[in-house]
Amino acid sequence: GQQLNQSPQSMFIQEGEDVSMNCTSSSIFNTWLWYKQDPGEGPVLLIALYKAGELTSNGRLTAQFGITRKDSFLNISASIPSDVGIYFCAGQASTNFGNEKLTFGTGTRLTIIP
Amino acid sequence: KAGVTQTPRYLIKTRGQQVTLSCSPISGHRSVSWYQQTPGQGLQFLFEYFSETQRNKGNFPGRFSGRQFSNSRSEMNVSTLELGDSALYLCASSLASGRYNEQFFGPGTRLTVL
Repeated sequence: GQQLNQSPQSMFIQEGEDVSMNCTSSSIFNTWLWYKQDPGEGPVLLIALYKAGELTSNGRLTAQFGITRKDSFLNISASIPSDVGIYFCAGQASTNFGNEKLTFGTGTRLTIIP
Repeated sequence: KAGVTQTPRYLIKTRGQQVTLSCSPISGHRSVSWYQQTPGQGLQFLFEYFSETQRNKGNFPGRFSGRQFSNSRSEMNVSTLELGDSALYLCASSLASGRYNEQFFGPGTRLTVL
């Protein structure tokens, strides 16, 4: 099945550092979503983006919808231990009624080194 | 408002058996989507239901089927289980109304096929 290219695959950082990850697609999406997943749990929605060029923040998290509509970026500032987990981007082709399918990225595993 | 619930959380079956998983969406959400998550393939879209009708379908064999009831609750069935069906099965619900159609995930059902 299709997956979006997400990088980096994994990150090892120290507490307090900033984090950046991105997601690219060969096709256009009208909605980009970022999720975080903890072990044994379902993904939790962090940020939703609906417009090309849009920059949206949620606390220490900031995400951007690329102007080409084929990429998105997520930044986490001043990381804390609870940021540990796997981050997924997801693209949705249409915001219109009738197309709810999400295509997910390959995930970025974030680890904080003590 | 209660989140998406999935039952059971864990399931162990043997090859050849069939299994039924259940999902209750967030109250008021009309769309339910199912995803399979494996280490090798990541998160893959199975199908989406809205108003008791399947609107979208991923690239999975016919052994995977689902349905949605009038109260929006959904079930997913896998027949003739294979070892490769071992995965975390995730259900997500959305309002599917208007432009903003974020999907919210349940905790998943961990299926192990022996």
